[in-house]
Amino acid sequence: KQEVTQIPAALSVPEGENLVLNCSFTDSAIYNLQWFRQDPGKGLTSLLLIQSSQREQTSGRLNASLDKSSGRSTLYIAASQPGDSATYLCAVSRNKLVFGAGTILRVKS
Amino acid sequence: DTAVSQTPKYLVTQMGNDKSIKCEQNLGHDTMYWYKQDSKKFLKIMFSYNNKELIINETVPNRFSPKSPDKAHLNLHINSLELGDSAVYFCASSQETPGAGNNEQFFGPGTRLTVL
Repeated sequence: KQEVTQIPAALSVPEGENLVLNCSFTDSAIYNLQWFRQDPGKGLTSLLLIQSSQREQTSGRLNASLDKSSGRSTLYIAASQPGDSATYLCAVSRNKLVFGAGTILRVKS
Repeated sequence: DTAVSQTPKYLVTQMGNDKSIKCEQNLGHDTMYWYKQDSKKFLKIMFSYNNKELIINETVPNRFSPKSPDKAHLNLHINSLELGDSAVYFCASSQETPGAGNNEQFFGPGTRLTVL
């Protein structure tokens, strides 16, 4: 049974800092990994999808890496801004999406 | 232009009632999903349909019945509501099936269901 763990559970940083969110999964037989952000009371916004054959994906200030063999992914956020404050969710997919519990990020101005 | 929409946004009802949540996507996707996010914010798949065919049916009480009248719509009907059904329900869609590498999923805004 696939299990996804996200560390840390919560993170508070001053504006401008670079930060890394971690995601690990127990079964490396995945087809892809997706990072989402969820704002309070809102739905999920897809940030990046990395297919199992890829090592990383970039979008603006976000960079996600995937090491399938070790069951790990990281989401790197450069030059964080208060608008980045949200819950970040990692999910892995084989025949269905399995989510981690999320990292609550607060960027202080 | 809303990609994945759900109605209603909020639903408050009494135990034992029957209710429905509607979902529509205008992305032209072939696959749609229902997820449940419980009070601990943990998201879990409930159902998935591809071209109106059920392809994922997790261990969900049979009081929950999804219906897909066409590829763009996936509704969720819940009979005999219980207190434990209180949660946020999210609809999502993707072009590919869950087994595809490029299966990027797009989520609706959620429906917060409160059972009293």
